[in-house]
Amino acid sequence: AQSVTQLDSHVSVSEGTPVLLRCNYSSSYSPSLFWYVQHPNKGLQLLLKYTSAATLVKGINGFEAEFKKSETSFHLTKPSAHMSDAAEYFCVGMDSSYKLIFGSGTRLLVRP
Amino acid sequence: DVKVTQSSRYLVKRTGEKVFLECVQDMDHENMFWYRQDPGLGLRLIYFSYDVKMKEKGDIPEGYSVSREKKERFSLILESASTNQTSMYLCASSLLSRSSTDTQYFGPGTRLTVL
Repeated sequence: AQSVTQLDSHVSVSEGTPVLLRCNYSSSYSPSLFWYVQHPNKGLQLLLKYTSAATLVKGINGFEAEFKKSETSFHLTKPSAHMSDAAEYFCVGMDSSYKLIFGSGTRLLVRP
Repeated sequence: DVKVTQSSRYLVKRTGEKVFLECVQDMDHENMFWYRQDPGLGLRLIYFSYDVKMKEKGDIPEGYSVSREKKERFSLILESASTNQTSMYLCASSLLSRSSTDTQYFGPGTRLTVL
């Protein structure tokens, strides 16, 4: 069965520095992978998705993620953090029945 | 833009009460989903529906039921609320049935407290 693991429950960065949120997946087939963001008291918003086209996926708000099959990873990055990036981020996979499988979430704190 | 709305942002109920959580989407999506979100656990799927009057159990259906009488509306029902059902409930909808490129759109959530 597919699973998704987010390696950090909390990440803290200074404004203007790079962001790295780590995600590993396990799957016996080519996965579909997503990153969603949840701002306080808001629903989840899709940042980007990988569906076996390009391995480097660009999303909204300057975020991107790279699918690395050899490392079974799909880390989320952004070159320069902004205060408005403070939120909880979910790495999400999809099982063989096309249901979403959520990681446990990473809370990003951005320091001024 | 897709809009998914949920009837309440905050709800407080007593143990044993019957609770209805309503979700409406305005994009004629086929699929609708109910999740609960708990700290450190991510989102877990309770029930989903691929069509009107159809429903399928997710990973944690116990204590819940659903109703989908119209395409745009998907209701989650707690027949007899218990304190362990205190949680954030998120509704989602998506266009494509059983597709790897499907994108789910989420409502703002209902934070339910059961006393």
